[in-house]
Amino acid sequence: AQSVTQLDSQVPVFEEAPVELRCNYSSSVSVYLFWYVQYPNQGLQLLLKYLSGSTLVKGINGFEAEFNKSQTSFHLRKPSVHISDTAEYFCAVGFAGGTSYGKLTFGQGTILTVHP
Amino acid sequence: DTGVSQDPRHKITKRGQNVTFRCDPISEHNRLYWYRQTLGQGPEFLTYFQNEAQLEKSRLLSDRFSAERPKGSFSTLEIQRTEQGDSAMYLCASSFREKNTEAFFGQGTRLTVV
Repeated sequence: AQSVTQLDSQVPVFEEAPVELRCNYSSSVSVYLFWYVQYPNQGLQLLLKYLSGSTLVKGINGFEAEFNKSQTSFHLRKPSVHISDTAEYFCAVGFAGGTSYGKLTFGQGTILTVHP
Repeated sequence: DTGVSQDPRHKITKRGQNVTFRCDPISEHNRLYWYRQTLGQGPEFLTYFQNEAQLEKSRLLSDRFSAERPKGSFSTLEIQRTEQGDSAMYLCASSFREKNTEAFFGQGTRLTVV
């Protein structure tokens, strides 16, 4: 079984500041890793994914994440945030042995609030 | 490609009533997933289909819940004898197995049981 822990439930930052949202996972098998963003009363939008290869993954809207297998982490970063980045962010893992990335285990979410 | 569509977006029902939600996946996607998201939590997997076959069900899916995908296209999720604890956002997602793409989510159906 897999589990995901997002270490911060809320992260307040000022506009144009850098931000890091932390995610740790636990799994006895190889996993795929994802970050999704959710705006109020909306579904989930994929920001980025790690399947294999380079451990630094770049996504949409200037976000990037680094897979660290030894620390079982997949932290999300952005060098300069905008007001429009205010949303809830979810880290998720999927079983790498499967043939679909759709069945996922999610963390509890981190609410990012960007202040002017 | 209009994305994953869910209907209705919002549903308010009285405790004990039955409700049914619909999900239309992206047209060429053969896998369809249902998730439930309660306030302050991440989505939790409920069940998934490959074409019309229901391949896996979570323990969260009690016997009051039933999901179908009769022709391998749209899917329905029915909750019988709703309880206040069923209040949540129900999310549908789809993916294309052969291309091993990630799942694309719909905007969800928010259920409130009063």
